[in-house]
Amino acid sequence: QLQLQESGPGLVKPSETLSLRCSVSGGSLRSRSYYWHWIRQPPGKGLEWIGSSYYSGSAYHMSSLKSRVTISVDTSNNQFSLKLNSVTAADTAVYYCARSVVRTSGDAFDIWGQGTMVTVSS
Amino acid sequence: DIQMTQSPSSLSASLGDRVTITCRASQSISTYLNWYQQKPGKAPKLLIFTASSLHGGVPSRFSGSGSGADFTLTINSLQTEDFATYYCQQTYSTPYTFGQGTKLEIK
Repeated sequence: QLQLQESGPGLVKPSETLSLRCSVSGGSLRSRSYYWHWIRQPPGKGLEWIGSSYYSGSAYHMSSLKSRVTISVDTSNNQFSLKLNSVTAADTAVYYCARSVVRTSGDAFDIWGQGTMVTVSS
Repeated sequence: DIQMTQSPSSLSASLGDRVTITCRASQSISTYLNWYQQKPGKAPKLLIFTASSLHGGVPSRFSGSGSGADFTLTINSLQTEDFATYYCQQTYSTPYTFGQGTKLEIK
C-alpha cells in the first residue's frame, strides 16, 4: 500500500522560505498514472489546493500563490517537494501531500499524507 | 477560478438518520466532483469520486449524485463514525477548489 509522509520545519520566520518534502513509500512516484499534490488547511479553516506535479516535472499552481510556489519531483529519491517563499502569518497551516489518479473523468485524491503543521512566526 | 459552495455549513443529526449535503459549483463541472470526509486532527479521506462512484472500502450508506453544477452527498443510517466534516472538490479545471466544508454533529 502506497504511503505518503510529509517532513520539514514546523516553524518558519516571516519573509523566509517554507520547504517541505513528501516521501513516497510502497510505490513509485515515477508513474504516468498519478499526479502529486500539495494542499493546506489553516487552523480551523477549510482545504486549499496549492498545486501539483507530474512525475516528469510539469506542474500546476494555485493562481494566487503562483509567483511564490515551486513544486518539484525527485524521482531518484521517490519524493516531491514544496517551496513557498516570502511567507507571512497567512501561510500558517497544516500542509498535506496527496496523490491523485489520472482519469479522463477527473482526478480524485485517493491517498494523503498525515499532514505537517507549519507556523510562520518570528 | 471555480467557486464551490456547500450547504449547510453545519448540521445536527441523530444516529440512524439520513442526511443530505449539497454542493454547488459556480459553473458547470460535468461530474468532476469528489467528496471527502475529515475527522479532527486527521487527513481527509476520499469517499466519492466523479460525483457518484464509491471509493474502495467506503460503506455503501454513502452515496453521491448530480452533474453540471449541483451535487449531493447522502448518508443513510448515520453511524457514530460518520460524525465529521465533509468537503466537496472540483477537479474540472485547475486550480482545484474545495467547498468550505459541512460539519456534521450529533444531535
